[in-house]
Amino acid sequence: GENVEQHPSTLSVQEGDSAVIKCTYSDSASNYFPWYKQELGKRPQLIIDIRSNVGEKKDQRIAVTLNKTAKHFSLHITETQPEDSAVYFCAARGIKAGRALTFGSGTRLQVQP
Amino acid sequence: DAGVIQSPRHEVTEMGQEVTLRCKPISGHNSLFWYRQTMMRGLELLIYFNNNVPIDDSGMPEDRFSAKMPNASFSTLKIQPSEPRDSAVYFCASSFIGLSEGVGELFFGEGSRLTVL
Repeated sequence: GENVEQHPSTLSVQEGDSAVIKCTYSDSASNYFPWYKQELGKRPQLIIDIRSNVGEKKDQRIAVTLNKTAKHFSLHITETQPEDSAVYFCAARGIKAGRALTFGSGTRLQVQP
Repeated sequence: DAGVIQSPRHEVTEMGQEVTLRCKPISGHNSLFWYRQTMMRGLELLIYFNNNVPIDDSGMPEDRFSAKMPNASFSTLKIQPSEPRDSAVYFCASSFIGLSEGVGELFFGEGSRLTVL
């Protein structure tokens, strides 16, 4: 089935700096790539997603880029704030896995004030 | 809508006991997913249902795990007998899958934290 790898596993940045999290996927037929944010003790929540017919998508301070040829996609957070501290998961919908999402292993982002 | 509702929120049990986790998806969603989250393995898909029918249960660890969805508003995940390695947070999530779009936004419940002693 689909395999999603995510890096780095932990990331510490200073408030105001940018943060970048990268993911690769294995199923070239995957066509939907969401990012979820999970705060400590809470449920994962969607923050942004991108479909395979788009190369980049922005929503205020967050953006996602997709390179289908290389089979990787990235999350960019600019002007980070302490409330951005959380675990971020990328995911991909691989056809081989039916229509379910396969998640990356997560990145723990710590924004230092 | 109250969102995806899971119960219990916390469960502590002893090895060998039966555990039943419950989930009520968002009304109108046609797909329901059970995920397990651990530090070591992250978020793993256990099983998912579309229109109450199990579509992919390849993630179910072994025969000790079973899941049912008797109607569009209720699902259970059962572990019998439970073992310490089953300790994890179990998330239920629901979504609406369209004919061509595939999985839309996945809405997660609060999770059920299971501890097997």
